[in-house]
Amino acid sequence: DAMVIQNPRYQVTQFGKPVTLSCSQTLNHNVMYWYQQKSSQAPKLLFHYYDKDFNNEADTPDNFQSRRPNTSFCFLDIRSPGLGDAAMYLCATSEGFRYEQYFGPGTRLTVT
Amino acid sequence: AQKVTQAQTEISVVEKEDVTLDCVYETRDTTYYLFWYKQPPSGELVFLIRRNSFDEQNEISGRYSWNFQKSTSSFNFTITASQVVDSAVYFCALSEAQGRVTTLGRLYFGRGTQLTVWP
Repeated sequence: DAMVIQNPRYQVTQFGKPVTLSCSQTLNHNVMYWYQQKSSQAPKLLFHYYDKDFNNEADTPDNFQSRRPNTSFCFLDIRSPGLGDAAMYLCATSEGFRYEQYFGPGTRLTVT
Repeated sequence: AQKVTQAQTEISVVEKEDVTLDCVYETRDTTYYLFWYKQPPSGELVFLIRRNSFDEQNEISGRYSWNFQKSTSSFNFTITASQVVDSAVYFCALSEAQGRVTTLGRLYFGRGTQLTVWP
């Protein structure tokens, strides 16, 4: 089945230690998104790619970076995780901006 | 500015009851999209429906139905004969249909409604 895959599902990192979360898709969608979701809150968009065009949300901390080496893969790099970065990170894809987004299962990040 | 309000934070029902989740939105755009997503305890957001602002027809899919009323800026979601498996957080969201690339595709979420269905 076509889908959005995120690895790992659970990630533990130490304060200040860089961490990378990965997302892959078999839907061949143009757009890929990264969201951060904290407990009992709605997902918050961090950035998105339309093909190779990158758009960063204005309030996304500089600590968060992203890479999209090809259509199928997208990575979220957190350069120096703080305790406040502990959250669920959701990857999503869509065929274009005017279509629904399909989400992966998420990666739950713990910062110790 | 776009805004989505889900006034019901939590709803509890007993299995087989019908339940309606409310969603009210604000936008100055004439064209936009509305969505409902389900987030079960596993965490994955599951797409349920997308509605174009020009299409005010109500939709039914099995036990799910959606009532879109532009006059009241509402897009309510009803589950008929609820089941324990319907227990989840439900998010209503809005996105622009036209605009700059920096805002296109951005989903404006409501705060979500936690639905608990008891056996």
